[in-house]
Amino acid sequence: RKEVEQDPGPFNVPEGATVAFNCTYSNSASQSFFWYRQDCRKEPKLLMSVYSSGNEDGRFTAQLNRASQYISLLIRDSKLSDSATYLCVVNRRGGGNKLTFGTGTQLKVEL
Amino acid sequence: DADVTQTPRNRITKTGKRIMLECSQTKGHDRMYWYRQDPGLGLRLIYYSFDVKDINKGEISDGYSVSRQAQAKFSLSLESAIPNQTALYFCATSDHGLAGDNEQFFGPGTRLTVL
Repeated sequence: RKEVEQDPGPFNVPEGATVAFNCTYSNSASQSFFWYRQDCRKEPKLLMSVYSSGNEDGRFTAQLNRASQYISLLIRDSKLSDSATYLCVVNRRGGGNKLTFGTGTQLKVEL
Repeated sequence: DADVTQTPRNRITKTGKRIMLECSQTKGHDRMYWYRQDPGLGLRLIYYSFDVKDINKGEISDGYSVSRQAQAKFSLSLESAIPNQTALYFCATSDHGLAGDNEQFFGPGTRLTVL
């Protein structure tokens, strides 16, 4: 079983739609959680950190459920520019800053 | 100017050749990392360094070596390249501080093809 699992997609949604991505992690020692965004053939960039209390940044909302070892990302009012691959990332407790990446979920926002 | 740079950006080489990929950063970060990305496998950590002369193996270090002679530079070598090392390679940096909470900043990547 992969340490971080995501549905690869693609998710094809119309502009303005709300879309949600889920991610599960297998290591209960995981300490920190993130969503990174990766555009085609580009480097990953941090989108947002994920906290137990949930956090929101504009149209983006991230949630963490430690009991179920589950992370989610909600995008409201999708824009064409949101088209990218979204990577779920976890960091293990005591692992320094070594990150474990999911394989990513591809989003395509269409007119 | 980019904060994290990688050279070369693209490289085609033959089996058995020695290859070095270079990474430089102007962010002043202590920590540097090398990853490879393959379709369907995500990014996997090859080596990482928390300071000059500090070298640590990641999950897939076999066939690779690294050198950290200066804070700003971290190079990755393939001593004898093989076709399954064909991949997109990323260098990343992060600041020290609270473990696990520091954003990693990635370079633009090096696309390596081994024939």
